Amino acid sequence: GIQVEQSPPDLILQEGANSTLRCNFSDSVNNLQWFHQNPWGQLINLFYIPSGTKQNGRLSATTVATERYSLLYISSSQTTDSGVYFCAVGPGGYNKLIFGAGTRLAVHP
Amino acid sequence: DGGITQSPKYLFRKEGQNVTLSCEQNLNHDAMYWYRQDPGQGLRLIYYSQIVNDFQKGDIAEGYSVSREKKESFPLTVTSAQKNPTAFYLCASSKGQGMFAEAFFGQGTRLTVV
Repeated sequence: GIQVEQSPPDLILQEGANSTLRCNFSDSVNNLQWFHQNPWGQLINLFYIPSGTKQNGRLSATTVATERYSLLYISSSQTTDSGVYFCAVGPGGYNKLIFGAGTRLAVHP
Repeated sequence: DGGITQSPKYLFRKEGQNVTLSCEQNLNHDAMYWYRQDPGQGLRLIYYSQIVNDFQKGDIAEGYSVSREKKESFPLTVTSAQKNPTAFYLCASSKGQGMFAEAFFGQGTRLTVV
């Protein structure tokens, strides 16, 4: 089945720093989403981005489907950005969403 | 408010007992999904349903069962056959009969076997 790899697995930042999270996938996809899991376990939708580029405030994402990767950019990080960021993909021809292992982000004041 | 409601938030089960986790959505979504998350891990798909009265096994279906009698409801039963049921369970839904649409998640149920 499709493999989803996220990097780095862990990231520690000082408040105000910028960061880039990467998601590589091993096959073509019809869906790609980025989520932020908060300390209570809730998955917050960040981007639905099967291809192209989107921005939402300090966050932006780019998916290059032909090269099978997606990037999540966090600018001017805040302590509230801490948590786990998941990339999830929907493989072509399959009606399911496969998750990567996540990037655990800690932002210190 | 529209959304996905999972209940209960916390559930304790004795070994050998079956338990049922509830998932209800009022988003008028066709597709619904159950995932399991173990500490420090990603999410793994247990079961999914694209339409009422139909569902398919995901990657880790053994020891679980589901039903989809109503569009808005997709309960998950954790049976005694599930050897390691302690985990965080998340329900999701998406519009349309495929995962091509954006998926949204409930707040989860933490199940502990005591």
